[in-house]
Amino acid sequence: QQQVKQSPQSLIVQKGGISIINCAYENTAFDYFPWYQQFPGKGPALLIAIRPDVSEKKEGRFTISFNKSAKQFSLHIMDSQPGDSATYFCAAGWIKAAGNKLTFGGGTRVLVKP
Amino acid sequence: NAGVTQTPKFQVLKTGQSMTLQCAQDMNHNSMYWYRQDPGMGLRLIYYSASEGTTDKGEVPNGYNVSRLNKREFSLRLESAAPSQTSVYFCASSVWGDTEAFFGQGTRLTVV
Repeated sequence: QQQVKQSPQSLIVQKGGISIINCAYENTAFDYFPWYQQFPGKGPALLIAIRPDVSEKKEGRFTISFNKSAKQFSLHIMDSQPGDSATYFCAAGWIKAAGNKLTFGGGTRVLVKP
Repeated sequence: NAGVTQTPKFQVLKTGQSMTLQCAQDMNHNSMYWYRQDPGMGLRLIYYSASEGTTDKGEVPNGYNVSRLNKREFSLRLESAAPSQTSVYFCASSVWGDTEAFFGQGTRLTVV
């Protein structure tokens, strides 16, 4: 049973365009929602994260939008660049929980065409 | 800083063979984790160790065992490998209660 559902599985965007990835979660007890970026042959690395007490967080060209009532959150990549081509994972977890376990979505492979 | 180091990077096993995946971190983190990554499934937690001396099952623990050898090292053992365990395995670590998990570069395991 996948507690965090991610879509789309893949997307292609032109350089300068906007990439949008959506995630939905089931467990209302989650209080921490990170996005990880993974390049081929590498491990995932934290990109940006949000707590449910805010509806939006922006870091450079990356923005998380959070809708607590709908149990959904999304990643927007503005002005997409070829260097953004990677696989993106959303996740959900509990801050301060023993072990800080994360439940990941299935991943989205993003290809930015020059 | 090396961060999280996994060995080996690649491994091919025959069904029924055993092996141990090694993981070490040099960031003085309390918590360590083992995930497996399969296409379309994201990363799924196998086992974790919240602190030295403790280990707990994650989402998909069957067929695996772990050992938290000390604060730095956390190993994953496959006692009798099965083709269903073909996957990419990632070790990660974090400060207890902190938000960011740091991942190693992964071990690609194929069981034939």
